[in-house]
Amino acid sequence: NAGVTQTPKFQVLKTGQSMTLQCAQDMNHEYMSWYRQDPGMGLRLIHYSVGAGITDQGEVPNGYNVSRSTTEDFPLRLLSAAPSQTSVYFCASSYVQGASYEQYFGPGTRLTVT
Amino acid sequence: AQSVTQLGSHVSVSEGALVLLRCNYSSSVPPYLFWYVQYPNQGLQLLLKYTTGATLVKGINGFEAEFKKSETSFHLTKPSAHMSDAAEYFCAVSDRRANSKLTFGKGITLSVRP
Repeated sequence: NAGVTQTPKFQVLKTGQSMTLQCAQDMNHEYMSWYRQDPGMGLRLIHYSVGAGITDQGEVPNGYNVSRSTTEDFPLRLLSAAPSQTSVYFCASSYVQGASYEQYFGPGTRLTVT
Repeated sequence: AQSVTQLGSHVSVSEGALVLLRCNYSSSVPPYLFWYVQYPNQGLQLLLKYTTGATLVKGINGFEAEFKKSETSFHLTKPSAHMSDAAEYFCAVSDRRANSKLTFGKGITLSVRP
């Protein structure tokens, strides 16, 4: 199993540009989520999904959109990039949301917005 | 609402010394507690978790943590630090309700001196 994969690994955007961060998992996990990691802030939840066709907002959703058309894929879209969105983005998946189930993390996408 | 406090952002120990990373949590219901490790330029990996039963939990790489309800703590320890333990460590909490989200602390960077 490849686990959780993310592309690209690095990306530089100009302010106002849009892009999609890709996330895929091959473990048949129902729950997927996106976090951003900023120095001294830990990981903050952006959006999450409890299954195909179901998404919801996390702690910091503004400026981001998600969709979940299949169990495997959970792309994160930046509609109009801003310097405040410079961060490292992690996708994670687990069998179910919360409870005692381990979340499996992808390797991350490092995004810089100039 | 739940929260995690990890005091201090950086801990430095000598190789062979005791590692102690502190975590205190706040939760209105009995929690599930996790420690994740992040090596440089990688995603997060589960070290150990507390769900029910024995309050002393053993994880990978010789780490262990003890759930102390009276102190609302879940400190991470390792008797003898190794150079390969240098990484960032995150404590996280979720509650036992359905669809509970994972809340992370801000993380602690562990340095190991030769």
